[in-house]
Amino acid sequence: GQQVMQIPQYQHVQEGEDFTTYCNSSTTLSNIQWYKQRPGGHPVFLIQLVKSGEVKKQKRLTFQFGEAKKNSSLHITATQTTDVGTYFCAGGAGGTSYGKLTFGQGTILTVHP
Amino acid sequence: DGGITQSPKYLFRKEGQNVTLSCEQNLNHDAMYWYRQDPGQGLRLIYYSQIVNDFQKGDIAEGYSVSREKKESFPLTVTSAQKNPTAFYLCASSSLASGIPNEKLFFGSGTQLSVL
Repeated sequence: GQQVMQIPQYQHVQEGEDFTTYCNSSTTLSNIQWYKQRPGGHPVFLIQLVKSGEVKKQKRLTFQFGEAKKNSSLHITATQTTDVGTYFCAGGAGGTSYGKLTFGQGTILTVHP
Repeated sequence: DGGITQSPKYLFRKEGQNVTLSCEQNLNHDAMYWYRQDPGQGLRLIYYSQIVNDFQKGDIAEGYSVSREKKESFPLTVTSAQKNPTAFYLCASSSLASGIPNEKLFFGSGTQLSVL
């Protein structure tokens, strides 16, 4: 079945440093989504990427979808303490998998003030 | 407020007991999902439903059962056959109205299930 691997599992940064998490799928995806889960909370949707090579920005967050639609990354510039949480990628296969997402293991981000 | 309500927030299960987790949504979403979250393993899909009275197994359905008698409700029963039920359970929903596969998920606040 489809597998989505995400690295690193943990990342500790000083406030102001940059942060990147990477996601790789064993199969070609129809789309990829990113979610953020604050400590003690539930995942909240951040963004969806659909096109090959797509790049989207949300303030300090930059999301990329690979040309082969098998990998993606989330980059945060100049982290802040409010960025703390777990970031998940979730791949959609489309087709008969309509509605299903396969989540990566998540990257737990800690930001030290 | 529109959203997804999960209850209870904490649940304890005794050996050999079945327990049911509630999930209700008022977003008028067609699709509903149950995910299990374990530390370091991300979210794994248990069951999902795209329409009333129909549902499909996800990747880890063994030991679980669901029903979808109403559009708004998608309860999950953790049966005694699930030998390692301790986890954080998340219910989610999504709209299928746009016809786009994999619409974004809206999550409930979760239920932490522990074994006594």
